[in-house]
Amino acid sequence: AQSVTQPDIHITVSEGASLELRCNYSYGATPYLFWYVQSPGQGLQLLLKYFSGDTLVQGIKGFEAEFKRSQSSFNLRKPSVHWSDAAEYFCAVGTMNRDDKIIFGKGTRLHILP
Amino acid sequence: DTGVSQDPRHKITKRGQNVTFRCDPISEHNRLYWYRQTLGQGPEFLTYFQNEAQLEKSRLLSDRFSAERPKGSFSTLEIQRTEQGDSAMYLCAITLGAGEINYGYTFGSGTRLTVV
Repeated sequence: AQSVTQPDIHITVSEGASLELRCNYSYGATPYLFWYVQSPGQGLQLLLKYFSGDTLVQGIKGFEAEFKRSQSSFNLRKPSVHWSDAAEYFCAVGTMNRDDKIIFGKGTRLHILP
Repeated sequence: DTGVSQDPRHKITKRGQNVTFRCDPISEHNRLYWYRQTLGQGPEFLTYFQNEAQLEKSRLLSDRFSAERPKGSFSTLEIQRTEQGDSAMYLCAITLGAGEINYGYTFGSGTRLTVV
């Protein structure tokens, strides 16, 4: 079965600084990988996803993520964060059987310093 | 509008009472999922439906929980004899569409349950 680890529970960065949120997955074959964002009081919104092809994927709100098979990682990055990026971020993994459920990590809460 | 409507948004109930939540996708999707999210955690899978058939249930879904999707459109999740540990956000999700490029979920805003 697939699993996801997000090593950082909280991350604090200054507004305008770069951001990297870590995600490691466990799955025996090529995974489908997702990043979701959940702002306070809001639902989960899909930021980006990887399923094949270019290992650097672009998402909404200026986010990108890079799939590194050798490291079983799918880290989320943004070159310059804005105060509105403060939220909880979830990495998730699905399997090649697209009927299978998607498994979520425990999340990383991002705090932005003014 | 996420394409998935959940009702109610909030529910406060006394321990031991039964509660029922509803999930309404705005268009037909053959797969519908229920997840539970507790404070500080990611969404945890509960169960899913393909059309009206319930295909998988997590061990998190005790016998006090039951889910239905009678006509393959809306779904309900019922919790009987609620316990304080049931307090959580209950999320409904549908697949984005057919084909690999659409793989993924769109979530409803959830029903927040508080058991007092």
